[in-house]
Amino acid sequence: DQQVKQNSPSLSVQEGRISILNCDYTNSMFDYFLWYKKYPAEGPTFLISISSIKDKNEDGRFTVFLNKSAKHLSLHIVPSQPGDSAVYFCAASARETSGSRLTFGEGTQLTVNP
Amino acid sequence: DTGVSQDPRHKITKRGQNVTFRCDPISEHNRLYWYRQTLGQGPEFLTYFQNEAQLEKSRLLSDRFSAERPKGSFSTLEIQRTEQGDSAMYLCASSSPWVSGSYEQYFGPGTRLTVT
Repeated sequence: DQQVKQNSPSLSVQEGRISILNCDYTNSMFDYFLWYKKYPAEGPTFLISISSIKDKNEDGRFTVFLNKSAKHLSLHIVPSQPGDSAVYFCAASARETSGSRLTFGEGTQLTVNP
Repeated sequence: DTGVSQDPRHKITKRGQNVTFRCDPISEHNRLYWYRQTLGQGPEFLTYFQNEAQLEKSRLLSDRFSAERPKGSFSTLEIQRTEQGDSAMYLCASSSPWVSGSYEQYFGPGTRLTVT
């Protein structure tokens, strides 16, 4: 079963506008959530994370929002830049029960057009 | 650069051969993870070590796969009698929540395996 799901395989936005990437999860044991960016032929690069005790975490142009009741999180990138074009993965872990192993979504290809 | 490194970056092998990959984690990280990623999918967990102890293995890790971390530093992942279905990107990651206070995992560049 797919415990972490990213329903949008792709997203295209204009430079300077906001990019919103969404992620849903089903496992209520997940208590830590992360976003990674991946370029072709490279490993995933950590972007930002959020603990389940928070509903928002911000780092520069990146903000992650967590809605625990809806089991939904989103990543906002503003303003979007062409260099943000990559595949974005949402990941989740249950820190106390599974050694913090990550369960990933399928990824969303973000394209930022100049 | 003191990030996670993996070797080799690419490996082409014939079906039935054995292959071994190496991962060097960030030096102060005591946790090391192996993941596998196929085209169009997110990485899938294979196994993880805390220091030299292998604490968890996924059901994806068949008995043809074995991983070691003998001195709690670098790790190796061996696949015996490779099959075409083993073709994937093999990713290594490390973390150290007790040092950093956070649970982020830092990934290496991966080893791309192609089984012909």
